[in-house]
Amino acid sequence: EAQVTQNPRYLITVTGKKLTVTCSQNMNHEYMSWYRQDPGLGLRQIYYSMNVEVTDKGDVPEGYKVSRKEKRNFPLILESPSPNQTSLYFCASGLGGGADTQYFGPGTRLTVL
Amino acid sequence: GESVGLHLPTLSVQEGDNSIINCAYSNSASDYFIWYKQESGKGPQFIIDIRSNMDKRQGQRVTVLLNKTVKHLSLQIAATQPGDSAVYFCAEFYSSASKIIFGSGTRLSIRP
Repeated sequence: EAQVTQNPRYLITVTGKKLTVTCSQNMNHEYMSWYRQDPGLGLRQIYYSMNVEVTDKGDVPEGYKVSRKEKRNFPLILESPSPNQTSLYFCASGLGGGADTQYFGPGTRLTVL
Repeated sequence: GESVGLHLPTLSVQEGDNSIINCAYSNSASDYFIWYKQESGKGPQFIIDIRSNMDKRQGQRVTVLLNKTVKHLSLQIAATQPGDSAVYFCAEFYSSASKIIFGSGTRLSIRP
């Protein structure tokens, strides 16, 4: 089944404790992206990657890192999480970043205490 | 500046009736406008898109209308069903940057 998977789905952590949210897709997509979703703000793009070893900042990249060492994986790294990073995070992948080809993962709900 | 918004945060519709979800945008440079559906506990799911040089596009039970004069986008769902209950997002897509800007969403609820 074609899908985007994220792990963990739920995470509660404390300020400053480094964490990684994994994202993996099995569709051989070149494009991958991370979004955060907050009430009243919709989805905002954090980082995106057009291909392996190519990453770019989105609208809200501060406090996040990403890597794209292989096509299928695009982990999101929070080196020192803060409470304002409490949010619902979505990973997405697509053939080329096109509007009709982005598939979203199920989401990761992160709480930073 | 760039913004994509929605007229109504919630919409309640009788089952079987048609639903109309509206969206206003401010930037005329986008290449596509897109509607996504997000069910509880799931990620957004693509419904339909429309190129900026089109006025109307139809899908299965859905129609998107684009009025560039007033910068308005709407999603019409025919014969609304309980499975249509979700939050609907409009979004703008810029192909040059592979960038999608989402609106804040409208929750559609269905009355039996």
